[in-house]
Amino acid sequence: EAQVTQNPRYLITVTGKKLTVTCSQNMNHEYMSWYRQDPGLGLRQIYYSMNVEVTDKGDVPEGYKVSRKEKRNFPLILESPSPNQTSLYFCASSFSINQPQHFGDGTRLSIL
Amino acid sequence: AQSVAQPEDQVNVAEGNPLTVKCTYSVSGNPYLFWYVQYPNRGLQFLLKYITGDNLVKGSYGFEAEFNKSQTSFHLKKPSALVSDSALYFCAVRPFDYKLSFGAGTTVTVRA
Repeated sequence: EAQVTQNPRYLITVTGKKLTVTCSQNMNHEYMSWYRQDPGLGLRQIYYSMNVEVTDKGDVPEGYKVSRKEKRNFPLILESPSPNQTSLYFCASSFSINQPQHFGDGTRLSIL
Repeated sequence: AQSVAQPEDQVNVAEGNPLTVKCTYSVSGNPYLFWYVQYPNRGLQFLLKYITGDNLVKGSYGFEAEFNKSQTSFHLKKPSALVSDSALYFCAVRPFDYKLSFGAGTTVTVRA
């Protein structure tokens, strides 16, 4: 089954404790992206990747890092999480930016 | 500046009535336009897209959207709404770079 898998689905943690949210897709997609969803703001793009070893900032990259060492994986790293990063996060992938994106089911992060 | 706007936070319609969800964009040129739907506790699902060609685009689940270049709009429509159409709907636009911008979302409630 074609899918984008995010882990964990839920996480409660404390300020400053490094965390990684994993994202994996099995569709051989080249384009991958991370978004955060906040009430009234819709989805805002954090980082995206056009292909392996090619990443770039989206609209809200501050406080986040990503890497794309393999085509299927695109982890999101919060080196020193802060409460304003409490949000619902989505990973998505597609063959290209012009093609529809497939979304994971989301990761709800709470930073205390 | 936000490049895509959904002017209505909520739309309420009776089952069987026409449904319209509005979207306007503010990028120059010929952007790519998308509609996605989100059900509770799930990621976004693709409904339809406009790249070029016929201004009326047909998509999944009986939805369609009309591209209007002069009004810079891309409204989502369904001739006869179902209770199961109740969800959160997002319009998205890709300008000329590799980012994707989403609107804030419109909650649709279809009452029986």
